[in-house]
Amino acid sequence: GIQVEQSPPDLILQEGANSTLRCNFSDSVNNLQWFHQNPWGQLINLFYIPSGTKQNGRLSATTVATERYSLLYISSSQTTDSGVYFCAVSSTSGTYKYIFGTGTRLKVLA
Amino acid sequence: NAGVTQTPKFQVLKTGQSMTLQCAQDMNHNSMYWYRQDPGMGLRLIYYSASEGTTDKGEVPNGYNVSRLNKREFSLRLESAAPSQTSVYFCASSERRLTGETQYFGPGTRLLVL
Repeated sequence: GIQVEQSPPDLILQEGANSTLRCNFSDSVNNLQWFHQNPWGQLINLFYIPSGTKQNGRLSATTVATERYSLLYISSSQTTDSGVYFCAVSSTSGTYKYIFGTGTRLKVLA
Repeated sequence: NAGVTQTPKFQVLKTGQSMTLQCAQDMNHNSMYWYRQDPGMGLRLIYYSASEGTTDKGEVPNGYNVSRLNKREFSLRLESAAPSQTSVYFCASSERRLTGETQYFGPGTRLLVL
């Protein structure tokens, strides 16, 4: 089945810094989503982005489907950005079957 | 709107006991999902239901059964709990549109099997 790898596994930033999180996947995908899991465990969808670029405030994401990777950019990080960031994909042959990466754990220090 | 709700929030079982985790959504979504999350790991799909009346296996279905009771409700049953099923269980729902798909998650159920 499709493999999803995220990097880096852990990241510590000072408030105000920028960061880039990466998601690599091993097969063609028809869906890709980025999620944030806050320190209390709640999962929030950030982007639906199987291809192209999207922006929402300080966050933006880019997926290059032909090269099988996606990037999540966080600018001017805040302590509320702390938590774990996951990407999840479904392959073209496995519609509705989402595979999650193991996540990037981000800690933003005040 | 409550979004996606799950009950119970926390449960302790003894090995061999059975239980049903309940999930309901009020967003009129067609698709619903059950995932498990083990410490330090991503979510793994147990079962999903693309629409009312259909269910299908995900990555880790062994030891679980599901019921899509109606469009709103999707339950997960453990017939004979095992310690390996200790985990946090998340239910999610989504709707596929031309603009894409967004999954909405419930708050999770923490299950401990002794």
